[in-house]
Amino acid sequence: AQTVTQSQPEMSVQEAETVTLSCTYDTSESNYYLFWYKQPPSRQMILVIRQEAYKQQNATENRFSVNFQKAAKSFSLKISDSQLGDTAMYFCAFRGGNQFYFGTGTSLTVIP
Amino acid sequence: GAVVSQHPSRVICKSGTSVKIECRSLDFQATTMFWYRQFPKQSLMLMATSNEGSKATYEQGVEKDKFLINHASLTLSTLTVTSAHPEDSSFYICSGTSGNRYEQYFGPGTRLTVT
Repeated sequence: AQTVTQSQPEMSVQEAETVTLSCTYDTSESNYYLFWYKQPPSRQMILVIRQEAYKQQNATENRFSVNFQKAAKSFSLKISDSQLGDTAMYFCAFRGGNQFYFGTGTSLTVIP
Repeated sequence: GAVVSQHPSRVICKSGTSVKIECRSLDFQATTMFWYRQFPKQSLMLMATSNEGSKATYEQGVEKDKFLINHASLTLSTLTVTSAHPEDSSFYICSGTSGNRYEQYFGPGTRLTVT
């Protein structure tokens, strides 16, 4: 069975600083996709970044980047130049086939 | 990105009544839709997966007779909570995927309060 683990329930970061959110997963599949979703106080789930497992290059979207370590089954999210609007719950997610699995989330607070 | 709408955004109903929540994919055809329930400060709990034109597949522990899911078209899925009780009060979120998109696109959610 697939599992997604986020070991940091809460984190905080000073505005303009960099923060890394951790995520590990377990799967026996060879072809899968990984995502980070953001859920701000509005509770609308927003896709932050995605990574295809077959790609070795780490995905990057503006201030957001991932460190994808396939052998270690690790998929961390780095947020650079943190902004107040980054305050949200962040969920790591895994897709294998048509099944999605979510981690328990990390609550990130950006401190002004 | 693709847009998914949900209606209503908030609903209050009396215990014993039924309530229907609509989920629409506005600019893509959602071959698969998912329904989640989320408690405060918790992750998403998958309730069921539905493919257009097929019966929904419910997760273990989810009462299919209580949570009726219909996915009659490629752009519309509905969740009907039948004979609602206060313990059904929660935040319900739908999402959709299509054949050429491997991420889910989420609706804004519906807050259900049963009094």
